[in-house]
Amino acid sequence: GAVVSQHPSRVICKSGTSVKIECRSLDFQATTMFWYRQFPKKSLMLMATSNEGSKATYEQGVEKDKFLINHASLTLSTLTVTSAHPEDSSFYICSALGGPDYNEQFFGPGTRLTVL
Amino acid sequence: QKEVEQNSGPLSVPEGAIASLNCTYSDRGSQSFFWYRQYSGKSPELIMSIYSNGDKEDGRFTAQLNKASQYVSLLIRDSQPSDSATYLCAVSLGGGKSTFGDGTTLTVKP
Repeated sequence: GAVVSQHPSRVICKSGTSVKIECRSLDFQATTMFWYRQFPKKSLMLMATSNEGSKATYEQGVEKDKFLINHASLTLSTLTVTSAHPEDSSFYICSALGGPDYNEQFFGPGTRLTVL
Repeated sequence: QKEVEQNSGPLSVPEGAIASLNCTYSDRGSQSFFWYRQYSGKSPELIMSIYSNGDKEDGRFTAQLNKASQYVSLLIRDSQPSDSATYLCAVSLGGGKSTFGDGTTLTVKP
């Protein structure tokens, strides 16, 4: 149980284009999902908290107009990187909140984004 | 001072030994504590959660929590080369959001 998928696993795009990443909880419902990015050999950086049916809460310094988050159902959250630039290249990971007390994060496999 | 601090390592132990990973946190109101394992190039995987003082064992893994000392640790018994990874400590005040440490890289040598 508690499986989270992400799609795509890897994407290469040109500078200026937008990229959408999907995060799905496969065998449980997730009211809350989180989006992180991680640079090589660095720790996770929380970007935003995604709540089903409401606006995402962004961490300080994260541009909400650049990183659009939509959590339209209890099993799906999407992150769209708009007008991507090479500095947006990173490993993007989502997690979904679950577990018996609904406080454990289960991570998706991640999406490696490369912007040329 | 970071909210969650871990020894950066790297920590190297021989196969079959006990690996001890440590984590301290700054907020005394923290309620939930987690250990994640992250292999290189992969996403984190939850291996242990602990909520009350004392020890919690799951197979070869034991998590220890001491709220008075604001300290949580993870012991890995009979370490295997497959345990070589970065271990992330995460602490939550509640509500699901966690603060992660920078991780300790463990290498188990055959």
